[in-house]
Amino acid sequence: KAGVTQTPRYLIKTRGQQVTLSCSPISGHRSVSWYQQTPGQGLQFLFEYFSETQRNKGNFPGRFSGRQFSNSRSEMNVSTLELGDSALYLCASSLGQDPNYGYTFGSGTRLTVV
Amino acid sequence: DQQVKQNSPSLSVQEGRISILNCDYTNSMFDYFLWYKKYPAEGPTFLISISSIKDKNEDGRFTVFLNKSAKHLSLHIVPSQPGDSAVYFCAARTLFPYGGSQGNLIFGKGTKLSVKP
Repeated sequence: KAGVTQTPRYLIKTRGQQVTLSCSPISGHRSVSWYQQTPGQGLQFLFEYFSETQRNKGNFPGRFSGRQFSNSRSEMNVSTLELGDSALYLCASSLGQDPNYGYTFGSGTRLTVV
Repeated sequence: DQQVKQNSPSLSVQEGRISILNCDYTNSMFDYFLWYKKYPAEGPTFLISISSIKDKNEDGRFTVFLNKSAKHLSLHIVPSQPGDSAVYFCAARTLFPYGGSQGNLIFGKGTKLSVKP
């Protein structure tokens, strides 16, 4: 069974540019969440999508956005990139509301803004 | 303010002994607590969870204890193995009242566990 797939694995962008990251959840998982990991702040919640609707949003500026498609695949977009956006972006999918299922994370996309 | 705190950035344990990883939280509305393990260049891997209505959950070598009055939880690994060396994250879930919502996880900053042979 394939895990959570994130593409690309690595990305280098210039300040001011925009970027789109992709996440394919485990087959059958309808919930997809995005997290940002930085050395200083640790893992921080960005947003969660379920059935193509954003259900939940973390405390990030509007430059960070996302969407989910009918096949549960999700994309997140960051516009007007800043140096501080350099981070590991992790996607997680979940089968159901029972947290004993946990959230299965992908390996992440390492974004470097120069 | 940090709602989930892991005050020990690192822990070193001898193989075969017990590893105890600690986590404190401030929000009494968390309904579930989860532990994740993370190796370099990989995403976090779910280990074990505990509901806020329980005080203990066990899965093989891993046991999580929850002390609600102290707002403290701990992960015990017995016996510790070199392959357990990784960064361990404590996370707490806040459940939002939207249909199908999984809630969001609030993570601590992690404890790096080193198990020496």
